[in-house]
Amino acid sequence: QKEVEQNSGPLSVPEGAIASLNCTYSDRGSQSFFWYRQYSGKSPELIMSIYSNGDKEDGRFTAQLNKASQYVSLLIRDSQPSDSATYLCAVKLGGSARQLTFGSGTQLTVLP
Amino acid sequence: DAGVIQSPRHEVTEMGQEVTLRCKPISGHDYLFWYRQTMMRGLELLIYFNNNVPIDDSGMPEDRFSAKMPNASFSTLKIQPSEPRDSAVYFCASSTGQLNTEAFFGQGTRLTVV
Repeated sequence: QKEVEQNSGPLSVPEGAIASLNCTYSDRGSQSFFWYRQYSGKSPELIMSIYSNGDKEDGRFTAQLNKASQYVSLLIRDSQPSDSATYLCAVKLGGSARQLTFGSGTQLTVLP
Repeated sequence: DAGVIQSPRHEVTEMGQEVTLRCKPISGHDYLFWYRQTMMRGLELLIYFNNNVPIDDSGMPEDRFSAKMPNASFSTLKIQPSEPRDSAVYFCASSTGQLNTEAFFGQGTRLTVV
């Protein structure tokens, strides 16, 4: 079992719709969770981070965390063509670990 | 701050040659990570340093790979000898030591071994 799993997609949604991206992780000791966006040929850039159970909203983005289910999700409301990218889920263990473990990414296409 | 700086941006080399990738982390960040990204395997952690000391190199694929961090502002990843299967994008990232902080990525080095 991979440590961090994502639906590889590709996922296509029409412009203005809600895009839902999902991620599960295997280590119950994981403490911090991150969503990165990566445009083709570019480096990953952080869009959301979440550390506590529940929802965290930032503009059109909402991250959801359920530690009991070991599940993290990212919702993108009012999707725009500029949101088309690969979204990477990343997890950081607690304790002294500081490295991020990444999922394989979900490719999102927003159709105009 | 200029962010994490990597060089070169692109490298094409012949099989068997030595390749050296370079990274300058963000000033004040005491963690430095080297990742490799391929279509097949995604983004994999190769090695990371804390205060210039290697902490975990379990992701380094073979003895052909080595990494150093001689000071807080410079790190290298070396492949010797290089092989075609090493072709990938290599990212350097840095972060502070706080648990709830992200890693910031450089622009990456696209390596092609022919």
